[in-house]
Amino acid sequence: AQTIHQWPVAEIKAVGSPLSLGCTIKGKSSPNLYWYWQATGGTLQQLFYSITVGQVESVVQLNLSASRPKDDQFILSTEKLLLSHSGFYLCAWSLPGTGGPSQNTLYFGAGTRLSVL
Amino acid sequence: GDSVTQTEGLVTLTEGLPVMLNCTYQTAYSTFLFWYVQHLNEAPKLLLKSSTDNKRTEHQGFHATLHKSSSSFHLQKSSAQLSDSALYYCALRASSGSWQLIFGSGTQLTVMP
Repeated sequence: AQTIHQWPVAEIKAVGSPLSLGCTIKGKSSPNLYWYWQATGGTLQQLFYSITVGQVESVVQLNLSASRPKDDQFILSTEKLLLSHSGFYLCAWSLPGTGGPSQNTLYFGAGTRLSVL
Repeated sequence: GDSVTQTEGLVTLTEGLPVMLNCTYQTAYSTFLFWYVQHLNEAPKLLLKSSTDNKRTEHQGFHATLHKSSSSFHLQKSSAQLSDSALYYCALRASSGSWQLIFGSGTQLTVMP
């Protein structure tokens, strides 16, 4: 069975500090990977997606970057946090190959809650 | 541009009553619509999806029919259960490509005994 693990569960960070959020998927080779962000009271907004190791496509940057250093790992990061980065970050995966989330179910992780003070 | 509108942010109803959560959309592309559900402290999960006009899609007691004429994909259930309490998201395939979903703002459904 496939599992998706996000870390950390929650973070409280200062404005201007760096950030790294991670996501690991086990039990599925070469999944398509996604980062979503939800501001408090807002909708889920897709940030990035990755079809293969080393390749990441940006949908909305928000002064964040993403990397896929391994087949099963997706990292979201920034060197300088802004107040506007606060919110809930969700990693997700779908079956490998073409089609994306419009043709294949998205499986979400439990998320990371980020508070920037 | 693409958009998804969920007019109710919060719906509270009594167990046993019917559920209807509204979803309307705007898109310039072929229509793929989804409902995702997120229970408290859990990850969002796919509940329903459809791309066929006027065809009813059902899963776990919920159903929805895509109506392209009215740009709607409302979620319904005949009788609410306490376990249906959750956050429900309607989502749309983006015109920019199949790799992006546009989510609505979500509807928090609370079912009371």
